[in-house]
Parts: sequence; structure tokens; C-alpha cells
Amino acid sequence: NAGVTQTPKFQVLKTGQSMTLQCAQDMNHNSMYWYRQDPGMGLRLIYYSASEGTTDKGEVPNGYNVSRLNKREFSLRLESAAPSQTSVYFCASRMTGMDGYEQYFGPGTRLTVT
Amino acid sequence: GESVGLHLPTLSVQEGDNSIINCAYSNSASDYFIWYKQESGKGPQFIIDIRSNMDKRQGQRVTVLLNKTVKHLSLQIAATQPGDSAVYFCAVLGGGFKTIFGAGTRLFVKA
Repeated sequence: NAGVTQTPKFQVLKTGQSMTLQCAQDMNHNSMYWYRQDPGMGLRLIYYSASEGTTDKGEVPNGYNVSRLNKREFSLRLESAAPSQTSVYFCASRMTGMDGYEQYFGPGTRLTVT
Repeated sequence: GESVGLHLPTLSVQEGDNSIINCAYSNSASDYFIWYKQESGKGPQFIIDIRSNMDKRQGQRVTVLLNKTVKHLSLQIAATQPGDSAVYFCAVLGGGFKTIFGAGTRLFVKA
């Protein structure tokens, strides 16, 4: 049981390049999330998917797109990277409809845009 | 909308002492609260949670206290160890599927 996995772990992009961050979970969770974490700040929600087939904007969605490919996988795409998107990106998942609401996080992707 | 704030960005304690990390939230209708621990280079990890119908909940060496009157949450760590050094986030379950995170308190444990 690997939990939540993310690829890649590190990435350097030039301004204007595109890339997709991959996330997968093997816990059969319904909901999945993408956050970014900047120095001295908490986690800010970019997009989330309450269930397979649905996605919704979070607090900071501009410049990003997502795809909930199936129940396991939730990808985050940067179409035209900007230096302001330099951050650490975390994917998370949780089960809904049960008592616990804690999220399970992946190890993160550290992205630098030059 | 909901906001979550922490009183101190850093906290330094002596090994063996108790640690208290505080958090404030804005929405009196919030009904579920979580503490996460984030070690360097890793994703946040669940520590303990509490519902609004409770004032206190205990885990292994950790206790969460909830004061709904002043909208304040605290995490107490007993007999703090070097392995407790990390950033601690409080989080509040917002509307629907969203969780609102505070900025985090970095705990330093001095040997």
C-alpha cells in the first residue's frame, strides 16, 4: 500500500514551458486535492475533485488545469509556466462519507520556474 | 470566508518539556478540526482531530483542546522529543470538501 504517490519529485522549467504533475492513490479514496505551499505560508488549495468525473476550483486556480483520469489518478497541468508558480506542490486524498476527514498527502513536487 | 491563523510562527522548547501550539479560526459554524505535522521534505501527516461537540481529545502524547467560545484550538505535546521537530498546521473543515489550513508553527526541540 503506497498511499499517495507523486511524480516527478523535482522539476525545473523555463517561463512559458508546460508540464503535468502526476498523482495517484491506492486507498480507494473518493476525493483528491492539489495544493501549493510557499515559504512561510500554509497550504493553498488549487483544485479538488470530490469524486471521479468532477473537478472544482480552489483558492488559487489561475494558471492551472486538472484532470481526474479515474478514481486513482488526479493530474495537475501548467500550460505556460510562470516564475510565480515556483512552489512545492502536494497532492492529497481522503475518503468521503465516513467519520474521518483527514487527508493523506503525497511527498510533494518541488517546482522551480526560471 | 473561513480563515485560520496561528499565534506564533516558531516555538522553541527544551527536550522533555511540554509544547503548546495555538491556532485561531474565524467561522463559529466550523465543526471539524485537524492537526497535521510536516517534517522537512515531506508532506503533511495527520496527528489528531476533534469535532465541535468535544472540548478535548487525547492521543499518544498529544492532546487537542477546543474552545468554541473564543474560536481557539491548541495542540499539546507531552515530553517533547527531538523527533517532534517539525511544522505543525491546524486545519478546519470548510464548506463541502475543502479544508482551510493555517500558516503553520515551526517547533524546534533543543537537546
